Amino acid sequence: EDKVVQSPLSLVVHEGDTVTLNCSYEVTNFRSLLWYKQEKKAPTFLFMLTSSGIEKKSGRLSSILDKKELFSILNITATQTGDSAIYLCAVAGTASKLTFGTGTRLQVTL
Amino acid sequence: DTAVSQTPKYLVTQMGNDKSIKCEQNLGHDTMYWYKQDSKKFLKIMFSYNNKELIINETVPNRFSPKSPDKAHLNLHINSLELGDSAVYFCASSQGGLAEPYNEQFFGPGTRLTVL
Repeated sequence: EDKVVQSPLSLVVHEGDTVTLNCSYEVTNFRSLLWYKQEKKAPTFLFMLTSSGIEKKSGRLSSILDKKELFSILNITATQTGDSAIYLCAVAGTASKLTFGTGTRLQVTL
Repeated sequence: DTAVSQTPKYLVTQMGNDKSIKCEQNLGHDTMYWYKQDSKKFLKIMFSYNNKELIINETVPNRFSPKSPDKAHLNLHINSLELGDSAVYFCASSQGGLAEPYNEQFFGPGTRLTVL
C-alpha cells in the first residue's frame, strides 16, 4: 500500500524564521509529488515535482525532490502569520491516485 | 467563476438517513475524485472517475455510491448514515487520465457532514 509520512506533525515558529517541512514516501509507480496548503477550507496547490534535484520556487516557498532517497522538503523563508496552515504532501501513483500524508500544522506567531 | 463547486457546504442529519452531495467542475477536466477528511485532517481518496468511468474505488463501505452523469459532475450518495461518516468530503478534478502525465488536482470547498 502506498504510504506518505510527513514530519514534524506540528510546528510553532516566530515570524521571520525559516522552516523546513519533510515528506517521505513509498509508492508503486511514482508519477509525481505534490505540496498543498490548507487553511480553513480546500487544499490549494503549491508545487508539483517530478524530477530529482530540480528546485521549484514561488516567492518565499521552495521545494525539492529526491527520488533516490524517496523524500521531498518544503522550505519557507521569512515566515509570516499568513503562512499558518496545514501543509499537505501527496504522491501520485497508479491511476492518478493521490496518497496524502497526515500534514504538518504550521503556526507562525508574532 | 468557481472552478470546482460542491453542494451543500454543510449537512447535518440523523443516523440512518440517506443523503447526497453534489459536485460540479467547469474546468473541462476529464477526471474527478471524492476524498474524505477526518477530524485529524487526514485526506483519503474514496473514488475517482475518468470520463464517467470508475477508475479508483478504495476500501469504502458500499453504502457510499458515486454517480457521474457526465464528466463535469460527480455526485456522492450515502445510504444509512453512521456516526463515523461525519467528516469533510472534498471533491476534486484534474486534467488527464490514466495514460497521461499526472496533473494537479483542484479541490472544491468541501462539504462538512455531521451525523447525529
